[in-house]
Amino acid sequence: DAGVIQSPRHEVTEMGQEVTLRCKPISGHNSLFWYRQTMMRGLELLIYFNNNVPIDDSGMPEDRFSAKMPNASFSTLKIQPSEPRDSAVYFCASSLVLAGVYQETQYFGPGTRLLVL
Amino acid sequence: RKEVEQDPGPFNVPEGATVAFNCTYSNSASQSFFWYRQDCRKEPKLLMSVYSSGNEDGRFTAQLNRASQYISLLIRDSKLSDSATYLCVVSPKTPLGSSASKIIFGSGTRLSIRP
Repeated sequence: DAGVIQSPRHEVTEMGQEVTLRCKPISGHNSLFWYRQTMMRGLELLIYFNNNVPIDDSGMPEDRFSAKMPNASFSTLKIQPSEPRDSAVYFCASSLVLAGVYQETQYFGPGTRLLVL
Repeated sequence: RKEVEQDPGPFNVPEGATVAFNCTYSNSASQSFFWYRQDCRKEPKLLMSVYSSGNEDGRFTAQLNRASQYISLLIRDSKLSDSATYLCVVSPKTPLGSSASKIIFGSGTRLSIRP
């Protein structure tokens, strides 16, 4: 079974450059989540989509961050311009959320390790 | 106050020992509870869901105390392979009819099992 796929797995870039992270959720899942993990702040939810629609983006740090989900099988997280403090591991996760069902399991991708110099 | 709080550890215990850690949550309307495990430089993976009646999966036992708003994880006969960070996860109640909910992760408890 193909799990959540993320690319690239590693990204090193210079401050000011645009960074695009990609995610392919598990087929059939209707919710997609972008997280950022650092030693200092732990795992932070940035944004999540349900049926390709952004539901809550209150975790997005600032206007430099944007996320899209043009279809059920693809999402991007873009940082423009990137800054050194954006260095972190970015995880994408997907789940199947059904109305009236409260318990759902999130399946995480392997993450993208981003280093902004 | 954080919505979900965990003791960061590290818990350093010998192989074969029993270890337990708790996680407290602030939202009394929380509905779903989970423990995830994260190995070093890997993604979090579901360890087990936590049910109101408590549940057991082999050497792992999870408990929920709604009155005191905490969940616990007990690991018996610990193995070296249990060394990881354990993340407590809480999901607020999903409004009826809504098809999405927001899951909140604790910052994790590091566990190290020594030979």
